[in-house]
Amino acid sequence: GAVVSQHPSWVICKSGTSVKIECRSLDFQATTMFWYRQFPKQSLMLMATSNEGSKATYEQGVEKDKFLINHASLTLSTLTVTSAHPEDSSFYICSARDRGDYGYTFGSGTRLTVV
Amino acid sequence: LAKTTQPISMDSYEGQEVNITCSHNNIATNDYITWYQQFPSQGPRFIIQGYKTKVTNEVASLFIPADRKSSTLSLPRVSLSDTAVYYCLVGDNYGQNFVFGPGTRLSVLP
Repeated sequence: GAVVSQHPSWVICKSGTSVKIECRSLDFQATTMFWYRQFPKQSLMLMATSNEGSKATYEQGVEKDKFLINHASLTLSTLTVTSAHPEDSSFYICSARDRGDYGYTFGSGTRLTVV
Repeated sequence: LAKTTQPISMDSYEGQEVNITCSHNNIATNDYITWYQQFPSQGPRFIIQGYKTKVTNEVASLFIPADRKSSTLSLPRVSLSDTAVYYCLVGDNYGQNFVFGPGTRLSVLP
């Protein structure tokens, strides 16, 4: 089945720095990828839809200048958390769908801790 | 996007069958029903998907009545490792994102 690889699995950074998270579709091409954020004991919240070759579509309330999304190829989307603050600490997850599969495949997630 | 309603939590014992029901009253004609399982600090994992009637795979069964306004995920003979959060999602498979509800936290006890 389809595999979505997400790196890093965890990262700790200082306040004010930027962090980049990569999401790769390993064995299929994904024109669309999705980025979610999940706080402890809560459900996944969609942040943005990443479209290959065009600008991402952000959900209401998500700052596009803070969460930069780049989908430069059919197999890679990146999420950069700029000027991170402790409140950005969360679990970030990406997903994509291989056309031949049922449902969406999710990455393993990235635990971001901002200190 | 169709909204879903599930029980917040359920308890079960090892070896029992667990049925989790999801309500989706405003499901659209093109929508499929998909269930995911999530363990702590991991991304959700696809369990099963269906459109109508019954679907079965090696890990679960999905029952969907004729009106499609609800669905039931059935896990046969659960084990401790089935303790997880289960999400029911409704949407099409053509680029539409899924909106996650709160899910059902299943606890399997020895």
